[in-house]
Amino acid sequence: GAVVSQHPSWVICKSGTSVKIECRSLDFQATTMFWYRQFPKQSLMLMATSNEGSKATYEQGVEKDKFLINHASLTLSTLTVTSAHPEDSSFYICSAKAPGLAGGSDTQYFGPGTRLTVL
Amino acid sequence: EDQVTQSPEALRLQEGESSSLNCSYTVSGLRGLFWYRQDPGKGPEFLFTLYSAGEEKEKERLKATLTKKESFLHITAPKPEDSATYLCAVHETGGGADGLTFGKGTHLIIQP
Repeated sequence: GAVVSQHPSWVICKSGTSVKIECRSLDFQATTMFWYRQFPKQSLMLMATSNEGSKATYEQGVEKDKFLINHASLTLSTLTVTSAHPEDSSFYICSAKAPGLAGGSDTQYFGPGTRLTVL
Repeated sequence: EDQVTQSPEALRLQEGESSSLNCSYTVSGLRGLFWYRQDPGKGPEFLFTLYSAGEEKEKERLKATLTKKESFLHITAPKPEDSATYLCAVHETGGGADGLTFGKGTHLIIQP
């Protein structure tokens, strides 16, 4: 139980283009979804928190116009990196949580991640 | 100042050699402390949630404990398949933030 998927698993794009990453909770309805970024040899850094049907809350230093988050349903959140540049290259990981799951209502379950490379 | 500090950064053990990983945290109020395992190129895999000092959780060869300032992940008689990076994260009380603050992890290698 508590499976989260991401698509695509990796993507290579040219500088200046936009990339969309999908995050789905497969066997539960997520009350909240999160987006994290992880640079090589570094830990996960929270980018934003999103709830279905409302605007995402971004962490300090994360540009909301660059990283667009849409949370259209209880099982799907998308992250769009607009006008991507090489410095946006990173490992993007989503997570989701919900009441009633085995780990508790505060436990976040993570997707497998998406490796973004901007040339 | 880091809120979550993990030590050691890396640890190499022989198969069967038990040890402990440390996670110390400095937050005004702890809502929960979480342990995850992360394999290279993958997302974190949930291991344990701890809520209050004195709490312990076990799963196979792993046991997590919590005090008011730190948590330990004890690994008993590890096997090569336990090799991974182990991440500790905290969820603070109060404020609007609902996300986790992660430590940098302990990279564990179990040699056969």
